[in-house]
Amino acid sequence: AQSVTQLGSHVSVSEGALVLLRCNYSSSVPPYLFWYVQYPNQGLQLLLKYTSAATLVKGINGFEAEFKKSETSFHLTKPSAHMSDAAEYFCAVSDKGGYQKVTFGTGTKLQVIP
Amino acid sequence: GAVVSQHPSWVICKSGTSVKIECRSLDFQATTMFWYRQFPKQSLMLMATSNEGSKATYEQGVEKDKFLINHASLTLSTLTVTSAHPEDSSFYICSARGPVSEAFFGQGTRLTVV
Repeated sequence: AQSVTQLGSHVSVSEGALVLLRCNYSSSVPPYLFWYVQYPNQGLQLLLKYTSAATLVKGINGFEAEFKKSETSFHLTKPSAHMSDAAEYFCAVSDKGGYQKVTFGTGTKLQVIP
Repeated sequence: GAVVSQHPSWVICKSGTSVKIECRSLDFQATTMFWYRQFPKQSLMLMATSNEGSKATYEQGVEKDKFLINHASLTLSTLTVTSAHPEDSSFYICSARGPVSEAFFGQGTRLTVV
């Protein structure tokens, strides 16, 4: 069984500041890890995914995440926040090559302050 | 990435009626589809997994007679909420994946039962 824990249900940053959203995972097998973004009343859009290749994963919209096995973490970062980044972000984990069901974290709502 | 279309995007129905939500993979064959439910300000909870041509596998606590899932073709799955009640009001999201692909998400359906 696998699970993810997102620390902080709400994060506020100033426009232009660093964005850091935390995610720790638990998995008995090498995990596939994902970050999704959800805008109000919309579905999920994949930001990036880790699939056991490079530990530093670059995604869309300037986001990236680093897989750290020793810390069981997969934190999402962006050097400079933009107003359009305000949304809810979900960390997720899947086993068996990422082809099985995806287990989501509880989400972190990102607020960007002008 | 691949496109998953979910319809309708929102629906209002009277208590006691049934509502059908469609999930279509537009440019790939979806061998497996997943249905999630998302309560306000909460994460996505997997309801069921369906493989084309097979009966859906429901997660613990999900009433299979209330949430009917059909996956009759490789591009279409439907979720029917039968005898809907106000407590069924929620955001329902489907995802679909091919034989060797990650899952792609639909845009979600906001169901309001009055």
